[in-house]
Amino acid sequence: KNQVEQSPQSLIILEGKNCTLQCNYTVSPFSNLRWYKQDTGRGPVSLTIMTFSENTKSNGRYTATLDADTKQSSLHITASQLSDSASYICVVHFMNRDDKIIFGKGTRLHILP
Amino acid sequence: EPEVTQTPSHQVTQMGQEVILRCVPISNHLYFYWYRQILGQKVEFLVSFYNNEISEKSEIFDDQFSVERPDGSNFTLKIRSTKLEDSAMYFCAGRTGADTGELFFGEGSRLTVL
Repeated sequence: KNQVEQSPQSLIILEGKNCTLQCNYTVSPFSNLRWYKQDTGRGPVSLTIMTFSENTKSNGRYTATLDADTKQSSLHITASQLSDSASYICVVHFMNRDDKIIFGKGTRLHILP
Repeated sequence: EPEVTQTPSHQVTQMGQEVILRCVPISNHLYFYWYRQILGQKVEFLVSFYNNEISEKSEIFDDQFSVERPDGSNFTLKIRSTKLEDSAMYFCAGRTGADTGELFFGEGSRLTVL
């Protein structure tokens, strides 16, 4: 079954600390994986995309990694800020199925001052 | 910067009433989607739309739901007879035809069924 599993379900850290969110997937055939940030009551916004051949990609304080062999991805947030409080959703696209996109349940991140 | 716009932002309706949620996608997008998110839960796929027809739909998208894009601009989701469990945030999204195309989401329409 094609699934996207994220951990932890929720996370609380102090402002300025780093954290890492995990995503495991069983989607096949795999095309690409995106991390989206969803602020409360808003639509998700893409942070980064990882294709099959990419291992790591950074977007400011966000760094995503992908291990296509183990089908795992991580999102590392450096020097967290209060505005990082949000849900982070791992989304995986099938290859050759433009309309087939699987969402993870998300990790709810709370940054405390 | 172009964006996906959705209306209304919030609608309250009585059970059994019809509801139409509207979306104006970004003009160069080719694939369109409706998702819903029940409070505190994950984003769930409802339906995808390409080339003026439904390309895929989930088991949630039963006979009470329909979509259309009659004028090449507005993309609408209709719920014919709302149920209490239809209360959720409904997101419209679109993307280009590229394999790695990013999904651009609207701000959502919150539906409350009483």
